[in-house]
Amino acid sequence: QKEVEQNSGPLSVPEGAIASLNCTYSDRGSQSFFWYRQYSGKSPELIMFIYSNGDKEDGRFTAQLNKASQYVSLLIRDSQPSDSATYLCAVNNRVLGNEKLTFGTGTRLTIIP
Amino acid sequence: ETGVTQSPTHLIKTRGQQVTLRCSSQSGHNTVSWYQQALGQGPQFIFQYYREEENGRGNFPPRFSGLQFPNYSSELNVNALELDDSALYLCASQTATDTQYFGPGTRLTVL
Repeated sequence: QKEVEQNSGPLSVPEGAIASLNCTYSDRGSQSFFWYRQYSGKSPELIMFIYSNGDKEDGRFTAQLNKASQYVSLLIRDSQPSDSATYLCAVNNRVLGNEKLTFGTGTRLTIIP
Repeated sequence: ETGVTQSPTHLIKTRGQQVTLRCSSQSGHNTVSWYQQALGQGPQFIFQYYREEENGRGNFPPRFSGLQFPNYSSELNVNALELDDSALYLCASQTATDTQYFGPGTRLTVL
């Protein structure tokens, strides 16, 4: 079982709709959860982080965390063509005191105009 | 803009050669991590440096080594390059919380 799993997609969503991206993780001791956006040929860009169970909203983005189910998701409202990218879920595994991030393979999102 | 810079942007080497990649992080960010991202994969943790000492290492062989300097810059060195080392190498600077911000990356091609 992979430590962090994401559906690789591609996920196609009409412009203006809600895009829903999902991620599961295996380490119950994970404490911090991150979503990064990566455009083709570019480096990952931090979008959201969440530490506590529940929802966290930032503009059009909402991160949701359920530690009991070991599940974290990202909702993008009013999807725009510029949201087309690969979205990486990352989990902080504090192994031996360091802040190592473990990433999923990413979900490729395409917003259809 | 994350304030993290990396050089060079692109690099082509041949198998068996050695390479040094450089990263400069924001002032005050005394933790830096290096990741390798192969095509179509998520970044893989190589190692982390905190106050100039290695503070954790991923599943990479000893030919991957690093340094961190007092001026918040760091290096990733890879000896005896192999074809599978071709990837995007990412440096991440960490804030006082555990949030990591990535530099633009160095694309390494090994022929």
